[in-house]
Amino acid sequence: KAGVTQTPRYLIKTRGQQVTLSCSPISGHRSVSWYQQTPGQGLQFLFEYFSETQRNKGNFPGRFSGRQFSNSRSEMNVSTLELGDSALYLCASSYNGVSHEQYFGPGTRLTVT
Amino acid sequence: SQELEQSPQSLIVQEGKNLTINCTSSKTLYGLYWYKQKYGEGLIFLMMLQKGGEEKSHEKITAKLDEKKQQSSLHITASQPSHAGIYLCGADKVLGSSNTGKLIFGQGTTLQVKP
Repeated sequence: KAGVTQTPRYLIKTRGQQVTLSCSPISGHRSVSWYQQTPGQGLQFLFEYFSETQRNKGNFPGRFSGRQFSNSRSEMNVSTLELGDSALYLCASSYNGVSHEQYFGPGTRLTVT
Repeated sequence: SQELEQSPQSLIVQEGKNLTINCTSSKTLYGLYWYKQKYGEGLIFLMMLQKGGEEKSHEKITAKLDEKKQQSSLHITASQPSHAGIYLCGADKVLGSSNTGKLIFGQGTTLQVKP
């Protein structure tokens, strides 16, 4: 069974631009969660999608948004990028959102200059 | 404020030595998970602890949850270079439910093992 895949793996953007990251969950998984990891704040929950609906949301500004498609693939969008958005963005999938049953992808390393 | 405090932040040990990483919460934990992360990569699930006093082992790694369910420790016996990485503790945010797809994490402990 293929694992969670994230594309692209690395990305460099300029302040003010927007970016879209993609996550393909394990086949059959309906829940996709997104996390941001930075040296200062650690690993923080962004949001979770389940069956195309956002079910949970972390404490991030509205510039961070996401969506999930009918095949459970998920995208995360960050608009008006700031330097502080430089981070490793991880997605995790699970069958029904059970936290400890999440499988994590390798992450997308976003650098904002 | 960080809801899960990990200590130490970093650790350098000689191969073959034992080590312990701690994870402390100010609130009762209802599911405590340990993960390992290679730098810049995703998380690998190690162990889950749910009951007070619970202890689990996998190969040379043992994790315990105290009786009050507010502190957990991860102990590695006879460390090897393959143990190097970042160890993170995570917990369910919501009381009584783990079906949220949401975890909170400690800051992580970076472990280096010198051959």
